Order: sequence, then structure tokens, then C-alpha cells
Amino acid sequence: DAGVTQSPTHLIKTRGQQVTLRCSPKSGHDTVSWYQQALGQGPQFIFQYYEEEERQRGNFPDRFSGHQFPNYSSELNVNALLLGDSALYLCASSLALNTGELFFGEGSRLTVL
Amino acid sequence: QQPVQSPQAVILREGEDAVINCSSSKALYSVHWYRQKHGEAPVFLMILLKGGEQKGHEKISASFNEKKQQSSLYLTASQLSYSGTYFCGTDGEDTDKLIFGTGTRLQVFP
Repeated sequence: DAGVTQSPTHLIKTRGQQVTLRCSPKSGHDTVSWYQQALGQGPQFIFQYYEEEERQRGNFPDRFSGHQFPNYSSELNVNALLLGDSALYLCASSLALNTGELFFGEGSRLTVL
Repeated sequence: QQPVQSPQAVILREGEDAVINCSSSKALYSVHWYRQKHGEAPVFLMILLKGGEQKGHEKISASFNEKKQQSSLYLTASQLSYSGTYFCGTDGEDTDKLIFGTGTRLQVFP
């Protein structure tokens, strides 16, 4: 049973560029949440997708957008990259009707130069 | 809005006990606990729902005091494998987005 998979694992971009990160949820899961984790900090909630719609959003600017596909996989897009966007981006999947366990992927490490 | 955890760091010898606290300024519906080892994804430990229920997972247990908006994680007879950073995650009754705390780094030495 494959867990949550994310790609790419590492990437380097320059300021002003755009990036797309991808996530495949655990088999059977229908909800995907994205988190940003800066070095030494806790994961910060970006947004959550369910039924191909953004259901919840954290305090992130519109430069951060996402998408969920019919097969429940998801993408996170960040436009006009800033140095401060450098972080580990974690995808977590869950069941919408479940009280809660999140299954995390290993993350995508983004470095903005 | 982000839950505050204390202490920020704990250093233990194998077999010693530790308590990690999580405090929120908002009314809580549930509290989750996760452990993240260096360079790895966070891993779910347990969830506590409103009702003050205490739950356990091997030698790790937790309590949830909804009136005080606090939760505590208890690690007894710690093992080397307990090393990592522990995060509490909280959500309110009006939302199911999980907000993670500031984290507590735990190091267990032989």
C-alpha cells in the first residue's frame, strides 16, 4: 500500500520564478492538505482540498494556489517566488469523514536563490 | 493562534520520563500529536477529542483538558527511538484545518 508520495524531493529556483509541487495521496484518501515547514519550525497550514475544491485556507498570499484532480492527487503552485518561500513543503492526506489522522509525505525541499 | 508548546527542548537518558505541554488561546475540538524525526515526515501518534479522554500508545500517553485548552503528552521509560521533534496540532469546532504548535525537540541518550 503506497503512502503519500511527493515530487520533486528537492528543487532550486530563483526569485520571481514559479514552481509546481505534486502530491499523490495514500490509497483510499480523498482529502489533501498542504503545509509549509521552515527550518526549525512547525508545519504551517497552507490549504486543504476536497472534491477538487479548496475547502480551507491558511494565512498565505494568493501567490500560493492549488488544484486537486479527480483521482485525488494534488498540486501546489507558487508564483513570483521570494527568498522567504524556501522551505519544506509537506503534503498530507486524510479521509474527509475521519476525525483526523494525517498521513504525511516526505516533502519537497524548495530553495529559492 | 498557533498553539504554544513547552518546553522547547528536552534532553533525557534512556528510561527517564518526560512531559510535553501544548496550550491554545482558542477553544479546541481536538488535539493531535505527531513526532518528526530529522529529515523525515511527521508521523501520527494519537488524537484526543473533546471530553478529557486520556489515550495511550505503548509508553506514550496524552491528556486533553478542554476547559484549560491544554494537552499534555507523557513519555515514560523513554527509548532512543523516542528522539525527535514533537508537535501538537489543534483544530476548533468551526474548522477542521490542523494548526501545529511550536514544537518540542526531544533527545534521548544511552
